[in-house]
Amino acid sequence: DGGITQSPKYLFRKEGQNVTLSCEQNLNHDAMYWYRQDPGQGLRLIYYSQIVNDFQKGDIAEGYSVSREKKESFPLTVTSAQKNPTAFYLCASSIGTPNTEAFFGQGTRLTVV
Amino acid sequence: AQTVTQSQPEMSVQEAETVTLSCTYDTSESDYYLFWYKQPPSRQMILVIRQEAYKQQNATENRFSVNFQKAAKSFSLKISDSQLGDAAMYFCAYRSRWGNTPLVFGKGTRLSVIA
Repeated sequence: DGGITQSPKYLFRKEGQNVTLSCEQNLNHDAMYWYRQDPGQGLRLIYYSQIVNDFQKGDIAEGYSVSREKKESFPLTVTSAQKNPTAFYLCASSIGTPNTEAFFGQGTRLTVV
Repeated sequence: AQTVTQSQPEMSVQEAETVTLSCTYDTSESDYYLFWYKQPPSRQMILVIRQEAYKQQNATENRFSVNFQKAAKSFSLKISDSQLGDAAMYFCAYRSRWGNTPLVFGKGTRLSVIA
């Protein structure tokens, strides 16, 4: 079945460590997105990529980095520069223009310990 | 930049009754999509309904319907015959029709369904 797979479902990070969240899609979608979800904040955009080897910062990119070497994959690295990384992270993808809805993965819950 | 506002952080409804969730948005564009997503306790985001701005007819999906007022920039979701499984966070979202741009989300409304 086609879909978006995020892994791991739960992730624990020690302070000062970098961690990478995986996002893979087999929907042949051009665009991929990373959102962060905090209680009462809705979904805030971290980074997005419209095509391979290209990506743009979203509203809260500081402390995060991404790569888009393959159409299917859009990993997110949470660096030690991110001061408050504990959150729920959602990856999404969508087909090319004209835009329609985005499809979401199951999410990754990151906790700093 | 586009913004989406959901003014009701929490709502509740009796089972089998009808509830309306509000959403307003701000944009200078004329061609766009609006969405309602549902996030149940599993936290999986599920598309509930989609509205194309160029269509005057309000979208309907079974018990879910919208009231799209383009001039007022309002996009409310009506849930009829509410069921226990409707309990979830509901997010309103905006997206430009062109350019592969990201969705812009509101902060969400938590809906409780009372048996």
